[in-house]
Amino acid sequence: DVKVTQSSRYLVKRTGEKVFLECVQDMDHENMFWYRQDPGLGLRLIYFSYDVKMKEKGDIPEGYSVSREKKERFSLILESASTNQTSMYLCASSPAGAKYEQYFGPGTRLTVT
Amino acid sequence: GENVEQHPSTLSVQEGDSAVIKCTYSDSASNYFPWYKQELGKRPQLIIDIRSNVGEKKDQRIAVTLNKTAKHFSLHITETQPEDSAVYFCAATYNAGNMLTFGGGTRLMVKP
Repeated sequence: DVKVTQSSRYLVKRTGEKVFLECVQDMDHENMFWYRQDPGLGLRLIYFSYDVKMKEKGDIPEGYSVSREKKERFSLILESASTNQTSMYLCASSPAGAKYEQYFGPGTRLTVT
Repeated sequence: GENVEQHPSTLSVQEGDSAVIKCTYSDSASNYFPWYKQELGKRPQLIIDIRSNVGEKKDQRIAVTLNKTAKHFSLHITETQPEDSAVYFCAATYNAGNMLTFGGGTRLMVKP
């Protein structure tokens, strides 16, 4: 059974802080993704990675960066948090042969005040 | 990139009735269309998917249909139960299958 975990379920940060969101998967998946979820907008892709140290921009990468130093771990970084980054953040992973069959983590609800 | 529109945004049905959620997509190269169910406070979970070489797929009370010519696909839930209450997301691949674009979601409420 695929397990994708995220470091925090709830996080409150102040404007301008640097924020790290961590995601770990235990199924040896090559692909990992970061989405944000906002009401009425569905899930929007921020960044994804198909291999260690590789990253690709998604649809809304502005204000975010990512790091993938190990295969099982994919970090999302908000360099200087802003109130419009208040959202639910979902991590997902998928195997190399089926990158679109994505398994999601439980999400981190981030509030920036 | 791909654009996926999903309707309706909310849907309320009586237990035992059917529910239909519709999505349209823009990229004619899309070839995989998954549906996710997200219960309150939980992660999205894949419930059914369909590939472009198939017109319909069923799994017990849920089915998905695909019309590639019209670029739309639908989720059908029959004999709805209260535990079907959730937000449902459709999605379509783009960028040579490397990415998924999601619809805006449908909140389904099944009244007992």
